Amino acid sequence: NAGVTQTPKFRILKIGQSMTLQCAQDMNHNYMYWYRQDPGMGLKLIYYSVGAGITDKGEVPNGYNVSRSTTEDFPLRLELAAPSQTSVYFCASSYSSPGPLHFGNGTRLTVT
Amino acid sequence: SQELEQSPQSLIVQEGKNLTINCTSSKTLYGLYWYKQKYGEGLIFLMMLQKGGEEKSHEKITAKLDEKKQQSSLHITASQPSHAGIYLCGADRSGGSNYKLTFGKGTLLTVNP
Repeated sequence: NAGVTQTPKFRILKIGQSMTLQCAQDMNHNYMYWYRQDPGMGLKLIYYSVGAGITDKGEVPNGYNVSRSTTEDFPLRLELAAPSQTSVYFCASSYSSPGPLHFGNGTRLTVT
Repeated sequence: SQELEQSPQSLIVQEGKNLTINCTSSKTLYGLYWYKQKYGEGLIFLMMLQKGGEEKSHEKITAKLDEKKQQSSLHITASQPSHAGIYLCGADRSGGSNYKLTFGKGTLLTVNP
């Protein structure tokens, strides 16, 4: 049972490039989330999804897009990367809301 | 002021010592989650508290939510090097939704052998 799997683990982007952060879970959870974690700051919610086909903005959605075509996958798209998007990105899922989140190991992204 | 404050920011203890980490909210906590994070890894769920006065334990870690539901503490008894990491609290202050969880900035715990 893999839990929540994120790829890649590390990535360096140039300003203006685009990329997709992948997230997959095998726990059949309906709820999925994307967070970013910056040094000295708490986790900030970017986007979340309550089920396949349904997504909504979190606290810091600007510069990002998501899709949820299946229960298992919740990719995060960065268009026109900016230095302010340098961060560690975590994907998480939960069986219920409220309920404990299960996190992936994160993607460390640097935009230069 | 911080809406969710963790203290201390960092903590260095000798192996075998007890320690306490606090998480304080300016608003009522409808749910409080404790997580542990090791560098370069994701967050591992430790415990969830929802009722005032609730206390949960797992191995040598005990978490409590006060009666007023505005403060939670995480207590580690007889600390070991394996307890080292960053401890974060996550608070549900909206009344039943993961979408509005607020996370503390974390407490960095170092346990010296």
